[in-house]
Amino acid sequence: AQKVTQAQTEISVVEKEDVTLDCVYETRDTTYYLFWYKQPPSGELVFLIRRNSFDEQNEISGRYSWNFQKSTSSFNFTITASQVVDSAVYFCALSSGNTPLVFGKGTRLSVIA
Amino acid sequence: DTEVTQTPKHLVMGMTNKKSLKCEQHMGHRAMYWYKQKAKKPPELMFVYSYEKLSINESVPSRFSPECPNSSLLNLHLHALQPEDSALYLCASSQDPGFDSANYGYTFGSGTRLTVV
Repeated sequence: AQKVTQAQTEISVVEKEDVTLDCVYETRDTTYYLFWYKQPPSGELVFLIRRNSFDEQNEISGRYSWNFQKSTSSFNFTITASQVVDSAVYFCALSSGNTPLVFGKGTRLSVIA
Repeated sequence: DTEVTQTPKHLVMGMTNKKSLKCEQHMGHRAMYWYKQKAKKPPELMFVYSYEKLSINESVPSRFSPECPNSSLLNLHLHALQPEDSALYLCASSQDPGFDSANYGYTFGSGTRLTVV
């Protein structure tokens, strides 16, 4: 069965600090996809990144970066120089086989000015 | 058009009411999904439609009845709901059912926030 664990329930940082959100996943499939979504208070799920299991290259997009390590089954997300607008709930999710997205419990990030 | 549109955005209904949630996409996606999200919880899968046929029902109570009239439209009919059914209902679509759906990604609507009184 697929499982995603986000051990950090809530994180609070001061603006301009860097913050890393952890994600650990479990799957027996050798081919799978990992996702990160942002959910602001308005409720919509905003897609941030998709990564397949064959691509362990880390990715950087502006202030966002992702570290995918198959050896530790982790797909961590770092925000550099955080801003108040980054305050949201962030979900890590997994899809493998024919199973649609399974979400972790989410990490609520609060960035304080 | 790269959106999934959900209506209404907000809905308040009594326990004896019948109402429907609507989801529409015009991206040619052949898989559509209903997720339920309770406050401070992650989205949980309810139903999956593949090529307009119900392919996954995650043991959802019969007071929730999905319908896929065509490849662009997904409805969720609600009847005799309970206050604990109050939640954000999210619709999503993907290009193709099955594994490749993840390769192309999922597009989510902004949700319907349902309150049952």
